[in-house]
Amino acid sequence: AQSVAQPEDQVNVAEGNPLTVKCTYSVSGNPYLFWYVQYPNRGLQFLLKYITGDNLVKGSYGFEAEFNKSQTSFHLKKPSALVSDSALYFCAVRGPYGGATNKLIFGTGTLLAVQP
Amino acid sequence: EAGVTQSPTHLIKTRGQQATLRCSPISGHTSVYWYQQALGLGLQFLLWYDEGEERNRGNFPPRFSGRQFPNYSSELNVNALELEDSALYLCASSSPEGLAVNTGELFFGEGSRLTVL
Repeated sequence: AQSVAQPEDQVNVAEGNPLTVKCTYSVSGNPYLFWYVQYPNRGLQFLLKYITGDNLVKGSYGFEAEFNKSQTSFHLKKPSALVSDSALYFCAVRGPYGGATNKLIFGTGTLLAVQP
Repeated sequence: EAGVTQSPTHLIKTRGQQATLRCSPISGHTSVYWYQQALGLGLQFLLWYDEGEERNRGNFPPRFSGRQFPNYSSELNVNALELEDSALYLCASSSPEGLAVNTGELFFGEGSRLTVL
């Protein structure tokens, strides 16, 4: 069964410093991996995805993520954090298309707090 | 282009009542997904509808049900409400499988917050 883990409930970082939000996954076959962000009392906004190709994926708002197959990880990164990046971040995985695997499985979320 | 829309934004019910939540997908999207986001429990997959049929169901009791209409909009019904059903219910849509435009991501609405007293 596919699953995703976000080991940190909260990440604190000072504005201007680099940030990393961790995610590891388990899925049969090649993974489809996603990052979403949720601001308070809002729905989820898509940030970026990895389907195939280059292991470094660039997304919205200056975020990027690195796919590491050997470590089954897909960590979210940003070179310089902004206070406005403070939000709840979700990693998600889905299996190959078709059948019962056609849904996103989300991690428990990581709250990113960027201090001014 | 309009995004995924959900209604109502907020809903307050009492235990034992029924709640109905509605979702309109992005134009051209045929799949609708429902997720429950309860406090401290992350996002839990509820239901997936595609082309009017229920394709998959999460680990929820039968009192959680829904349907998808011919125009691909969807409805989530929760019967015999319990206090622990209080949550943000998120609807998402995606384009048809097999099309080049479908690269796997879901597009979410702003959610319906259900409070059960």
